[in-house]
Amino acid sequence: DAGVIQSPRHEVTEMGQEVTLRCKPISGHDYLFWYRQTMMRGLELLIYFNNNVPIDDSGMPEDRFSAKMPNASFSTLKIQPSEPRDSAVYFCASIIGGGTGVGYTFGSGTRLTVV
Amino acid sequence: GQQLNQSPQSMFIQEGEDVSMNCTSSSIFNTWLWYKQDPGEGPVLLIALYKAGELTSNGRLTAQFGITRKDSFLNISASIPSDVGIYFCAGPRGLHQGAQKLVFGQGTRLTINP
Repeated sequence: DAGVIQSPRHEVTEMGQEVTLRCKPISGHDYLFWYRQTMMRGLELLIYFNNNVPIDDSGMPEDRFSAKMPNASFSTLKIQPSEPRDSAVYFCASIIGGGTGVGYTFGSGTRLTVV
Repeated sequence: GQQLNQSPQSMFIQEGEDVSMNCTSSSIFNTWLWYKQDPGEGPVLLIALYKAGELTSNGRLTAQFGITRKDSFLNISASIPSDVGIYFCAGPRGLHQGAQKLVFGQGTRLTINP
């Protein structure tokens, strides 16, 4: 089991550029979550999917943020245009439905720096 | 926003010392989870608590689910260098067909002096 795979691990981009973060969940997991971690706000849930369908995107901070899950093995989080305040570590996590959170597996994260 | 209050925010201890941290909420949780995040990695589940009053151990780690269901604590005995990291409490919120989304505390950053 390769776990949840995120890419890239690090991303440095200039303000105004488009940024795309990628996630491959664990095979068979039907829920996928995107979290953002900052010193000020800790871990925040941005959006989650069930069977590739977005269920709750109330945590997405602005229209500049969008997420897709075209199939069960791939999801993207896109920021366009990026701003310095978007600098954070973005985590993807997956789980098999019906659990209480015990089965959450997090990826290693993407550290985004917008300059 | 955050719904779980975790303390302390940081700890600086000597190797071999015991560690205690706690998490409180203004609302009831039916499950409490404790995660550890190593530097440069994602959080990893340490202990899960399902019942008020439950005391659960995992090696040198011990966690308890408060009777009121509004708090939990985590103890680490005889700390070692690999215990360094950020510890998060978490509880499930919201329900969608059996899966629940997690709310996290602010974290306790543990630093150990050898």
